Amino acid sequence: DAGVIQSPRHEVTEMGQEVTLRCKPISGHDYLFWYRQTMMRGLELLIYFNNNVPIDDSGMPEDRFSAKMPNASFSTLKIQPSEPRDSAVYFCASSLGIGGANEKLFFGSGTQLSVL
Amino acid sequence: QKEVEQNSGPLSVPEGAIASLNCTYSDRGSQSFFWYRQYSGKSPELIMFIYSNGDKEDGRFTAQLNKASQYVSLLIRDSQPSDSATYLCAAKSNTGNQFYFGTGTSLTVIP
Repeated sequence: DAGVIQSPRHEVTEMGQEVTLRCKPISGHDYLFWYRQTMMRGLELLIYFNNNVPIDDSGMPEDRFSAKMPNASFSTLKIQPSEPRDSAVYFCASSLGIGGANEKLFFGSGTQLSVL
Repeated sequence: QKEVEQNSGPLSVPEGAIASLNCTYSDRGSQSFFWYRQYSGKSPELIMFIYSNGDKEDGRFTAQLNKASQYVSLLIRDSQPSDSATYLCAAKSNTGNQFYFGTGTSLTVIP
């Protein structure tokens, strides 16, 4: 398996524009997570899905953020409208399930987002 | 979010020494704990996980858990320059499958 695949690797946009980040989890993994990483706040959990269903979105900063998982092999994180404070590295991660080694998070390469 | 606290460092140790990384967590109900390593510009990768009080060893790495003190640590023996990275501590929520991360400790191993 190629691992968790994220696109794009880098995104530079202007304030007010819509941004869409994409993720393909590892096949067979039941859980998908979206994290945001900044120097000040570290890795913050935004939302996670179990079998394509959003379970906890309490980490989503505000209504400008939305995430979907239409099928087991694809998820998107959308920011509309984007603001400079959204600049960060966004990671997607997936895991097999619950218990022991199943809980290991496999991270994608991340999307470096810069909002000017 | 549940709090996981780490000293940001930087921590510097000479090659061959023992590096000790520490972490505390606020959710007393957390049962599972993880250490991830993140090289600069890369994504985190799992080093070890621990569930039970006490020590768990894997090669040069030892994870230690003390649930009464809500404390997790990672020891790296015979530190190598290739161990230079940021180490992230994570705790799993007791109420779901969420994983909460500390801000990480930067480790530099000096040749």
